[in-house]
Amino acid sequence: DAGVIQSPRHEVTEMGQEVTLRCKPISGHDYLFWYRQTMMRGLELLIYFNNNVPIDDSGMPEDRFSAKMPNASFSTLKIQPSEPRDSAVYFCASSSSYYGYTFGSGTRLTVV
Amino acid sequence: QKEVEQNSGPLSVPEGAIASLNCTYSDRGSQSFFWYRQYSGKSPELIMFIYSNGDKEDGRFTAQLNKASQYVSLLIRDSQPSDSATYLCALRNNAGNMLTFGGGTRLMVKP
Repeated sequence: DAGVIQSPRHEVTEMGQEVTLRCKPISGHDYLFWYRQTMMRGLELLIYFNNNVPIDDSGMPEDRFSAKMPNASFSTLKIQPSEPRDSAVYFCASSSSYYGYTFGSGTRLTVV
Repeated sequence: QKEVEQNSGPLSVPEGAIASLNCTYSDRGSQSFFWYRQYSGKSPELIMFIYSNGDKEDGRFTAQLNKASQYVSLLIRDSQPSDSATYLCALRNNAGNMLTFGGGTRLMVKP
């Protein structure tokens, strides 16, 4: 099992540009989560999906953020337009029902 | 009040000692509790989970849960320098499969 796969590992972009983060969950896991981690705020849940359907997006900071899960093996988190305050590590995690999550390696986003 | 509270540390212990990491929570509906370890620059990895009151042991790690006191802890016996990391407490309530994380406690084990 390759685990949760995220890409890219690092992203540096200019303010105002569109950023797309990608995630491939573990096969068979029916839940997918997007988290953001900063020193100030810790791990924050942005959105999560169950069987490809968004369940709770109350953590999405604003309309600039959007997430999709077109099938069971792929999800994207898009920021458009990006701002310097979006700089953080973005984690994708997946789980099967009531077990703990498995996290991907994360994408370190820097917006300059 | 935050849903999950942890002392940010750092907690410093000598090699071979017992490290005690604590977590309190506010939601009495919380059903299950998880401890994650996160090395600097890495992603969180699951160490243990506990559902029932009492102790659960796994190697050098023991998780303790007291739902009446809304308290969960992680004990690390025979601490090693390789245990130096941030330890995140997380809980799940009965409303779904969403985990809420505490801010983490940074542990430093000194040789």
